[in-house]
Amino acid sequence: ETGVTQSPTHLIKTRGQQVTLRCSSQSGHNTVSWYQQALGQGPQFIFQYYREEENGRGNFPPRFSGLQFPNYSSELNVNALELDDSALYLCASSLQGRGGNYGYTFGSGTRLTVV
Amino acid sequence: KQEVTQIPAALSVPEGENLVLNCSFTDSAIYNLQWFRQDPGKGLTSLLLIQSSQREQTSGRLNASLDKSSGRSTLYIAASQPGDSATYLCAVRSNDYKLSFGAGTTVTVRA
Repeated sequence: ETGVTQSPTHLIKTRGQQVTLRCSSQSGHNTVSWYQQALGQGPQFIFQYYREEENGRGNFPPRFSGLQFPNYSSELNVNALELDDSALYLCASSLQGRGGNYGYTFGSGTRLTVV
Repeated sequence: KQEVTQIPAALSVPEGENLVLNCSFTDSAIYNLQWFRQDPGKGLTSLLLIQSSQREQTSGRLNASLDKSSGRSTLYIAASQPGDSATYLCAVRSNDYKLSFGAGTTVTVRA
């Protein structure tokens, strides 16, 4: 089975620009979540999608938005980039529902630098 | 709001010693708890998943315990090796499905 893949691996953007990060879920998973990890900190939950609907959101402003596609792949979009958005962005997938409590599988992340 | 704390923040041991990493959480209403390993600048690798009904999980040299009522989990790594050097993260899955992470314990195993 394939794991979670993210693209691109590294990205440099200018303050005020917009960025789109992409994620392919692990085969068989129906849920995708996005996390932001600043240097030296634990990942912070941005939002989660289940069957193409957002079903949970952390304390992030509306300029952070996302999509989940029918094949369960996902995008994270960030508008009006700020310097503090510089971080490692992690995508995670899981299988929800069906009576089980499954763990999450994470991708390798996208390192975003805003200058 | 779930708060997850990991102690110590950093740990340095000689090769061969056993490692004990601690994780505490404030809300005991959890689905499960997951331990991850993170190498510098990389993503997260899942090590162990403990369901809320379980007391412990084992995989090779790794053993994790869970005491849900006291809000604690401990990760034990036996006979540490230099390749175990990494940051270890504890994550709690709450009833709203999101993961709440601690800040991690950075482990250095000296050869």
